[in-house]
Amino acid sequence: QSVLTQPPSVSGAPGQRVTISCTGSSSNIGAGFDVHWYQQLPGTAPKLLIYSNTNRPSGVPDRFSGSKSGASASLAITGLQAEDEADYYCQSYDSSLSGYVFGTGTKVTVL
Amino acid sequence: EVQLVQSGAEVKKPGESLKISCKGSGYSFTTYWIGWVRQMPGKGLEWMGIIYPDDSDTRYSPSFQGQVTISADKSINTAYLQWRSLKASDTAMYYCVRRGIGVVNAIPVWYFDLWGRGTPVTVSS
Repeated sequence: QSVLTQPPSVSGAPGQRVTISCTGSSSNIGAGFDVHWYQQLPGTAPKLLIYSNTNRPSGVPDRFSGSKSGASASLAITGLQAEDEADYYCQSYDSSLSGYVFGTGTKVTVL
Repeated sequence: EVQLVQSGAEVKKPGESLKISCKGSGYSFTTYWIGWVRQMPGKGLEWMGIIYPDDSDTRYSPSFQGQVTISADKSINTAYLQWRSLKASDTAMYYCVRRGIGVVNAIPVWYFDLWGRGTPVTVSS
């Protein structure tokens, strides 16, 4: 079972803004460990989307942004596009498990 | 090109053994940790473990400790994931990942910056 909880799905019309939450605890996000986000397009391997809470790797559009507060983090997609339809996962480190953890994953649907 | 190339699809029977591979190229293989991630059909990502190829220092997720073996051969830039006795519940896609390093506000940070395409493993009688 994942220790990072995400909503199973979110949806929005093209051009809208959607947000995905990632809720952890005092042994992972709340302990100060960074949160990273990955995008998994259908039938492909995941790809790094946001690292260290708020940073975008080169090539990632600026409509993707991340934030972190307390034991939670969020991914926002502004100006939603059809190509953003994918699964999104948050990831952090957990000191109780002494290892990395992924979120439960969120499917983004573009209406 | 910087990439992780994984071995091909596998179809096995319960009880059989299996070793899949992940070859790194285009970067210094021995200076980055390589991890393995499981994705069962229709499910999310699960971190299995990680290895430092230079000295084979290995860490496992508690969920996978004793169930699999992670190893590496730095002479051929390859990491491995191995099972001694497969079960039907091992049916999944397995990704190898590189733990990259960056700097944010002068502080080193680590994240999975490079992913292989995945090796599908099917275990069925």
